[in-house]
Amino acid sequence: GQQLNQSPQSMFIQEGEDVSMNCTSSSIFNTWLWYKQDPGEGPVLLIALYKAGELTSNGRLTAQFGITRKDSFLNISASIPSDVGIYFCAGQYGGATNKLIFGTGTLLAVQP
Amino acid sequence: GAVVSQHPSWVICKSGTSVKIECRSLDFQATTMFWYRQFPKQSLMLMATSNEGSKATYEQGVEKDKFLINHASLTLSTLTVTSAHPEDSSFYICSAKSMVGYEQYFGPGTRLTVT
Repeated sequence: GQQLNQSPQSMFIQEGEDVSMNCTSSSIFNTWLWYKQDPGEGPVLLIALYKAGELTSNGRLTAQFGITRKDSFLNISASIPSDVGIYFCAGQYGGATNKLIFGTGTLLAVQP
Repeated sequence: GAVVSQHPSWVICKSGTSVKIECRSLDFQATTMFWYRQFPKQSLMLMATSNEGSKATYEQGVEKDKFLINHASLTLSTLTVTSAHPEDSSFYICSAKSMVGYEQYFGPGTRLTVT
């Protein structure tokens, strides 16, 4: 199945550091979403982006919908231990299908 | 609000048997539900899209006769893994899309182990 390219694959950082991850696609999406998944759980929506160029924040998280509609990034500022988990981007084509195509994921480890 | 449950949360079955997994939207009506499969250390891969009252649409490479999907009501979809084999062992996650808006809400997942 189709997947989006997400980088980096993993990050090991100290508490308090800022984090940046991005997602690229060969396809254009109508919506970009960012999810966090804890072990053994389903993904939880962090941020949804609906327009090219849109910059949206949710607390310490900031995400942007790329101008070309083929990429997005997520920043986490001042990381804390509970930020640990796997972060996935997802693109949605919209229209009748509403299918989500997920990125390959970024594993984030935060050392106190 | 917007809670999706799955049952069971984990199941162990013997090779050759069938397993049914339920996905329920608890506080909203879902016209569309999606089933994903996630292998260890990998991303979520969409298996199929189910719309209430109609046949599911399967992604390329997913065997429709092996993974039976029924979306009988606006709050319930089921995935039946028929004649399960060890390679079907995986984390199965459903999501539900409300009748209003575009967002999908994910269930907590079901861990299937086939021995």
